[in-house]
Amino acid sequence: DVKVTQSSRYLVKRTGEKVLLECVQDMDHENMFWYRQDPGLGLRLIYFSYDVKMKEKGDIPEGYSVSREKKERFSLILESASTNQTSMYLCATTTGSSGNTIYFGEGSWLTVV
Amino acid sequence: AQSVTQPDIHITVSEGASLELRCNYSYGATPYLFWYVQSPGQGLQLLLKYFSGDTLVQGIKGFEAEFKRSQSSFNLRKPSVHWSDAAEYFCAATGGGNKLTFGTGTQLKVEL
Repeated sequence: DVKVTQSSRYLVKRTGEKVLLECVQDMDHENMFWYRQDPGLGLRLIYFSYDVKMKEKGDIPEGYSVSREKKERFSLILESASTNQTSMYLCATTTGSSGNTIYFGEGSWLTVV
Repeated sequence: AQSVTQPDIHITVSEGASLELRCNYSYGATPYLFWYVQSPGQGLQLLLKYFSGDTLVQGIKGFEAEFKRSQSSFNLRKPSVHWSDAAEYFCAATGGGNKLTFGTGTQLKVEL
């Protein structure tokens, strides 16, 4: 089975703090994604990466950045956290072929106070 | 714009009753279609997917879904619901490139 590990399950941060959410996958997949999940809004794509050092904006990139220095690791960065970034963040991964199953991590609950 | 719509925010069914969760999509061509389930506090688990071919797709946990091109729908069904099926269900689609567009989810409650 594909394993997608999000190292931090629950975080509480103060407004203005820098937040780093990390995601590691063990299947040598090319594609990795960060989604944000909010009640009534479903999942919205923040950023995705097709390869090492490559990144593209998703639907809601404002206030976020990402880093992919190694194929297995995709990090989401909030340079200055704000209360409206309180949410559940989900990392996902898949191979480069279209339509393949996308595997999700268990999520990181971030509360910004 | 590409979109996925789940018209029902909440659904309540009795254990043992049948279930149908609705999903409609708006894409230029037939997309790849998925149903995911999310238990409280957990990530998403794939139930089933449709790419092409047989329009009735079987998935895990006794779920199935039927693709209807004429209605732009991909509804999820289960003949007899179990209490453990209570969760949130997401329909998703991609036109290729693996960027999923999700519906807003349907919360399923099962009454014993």
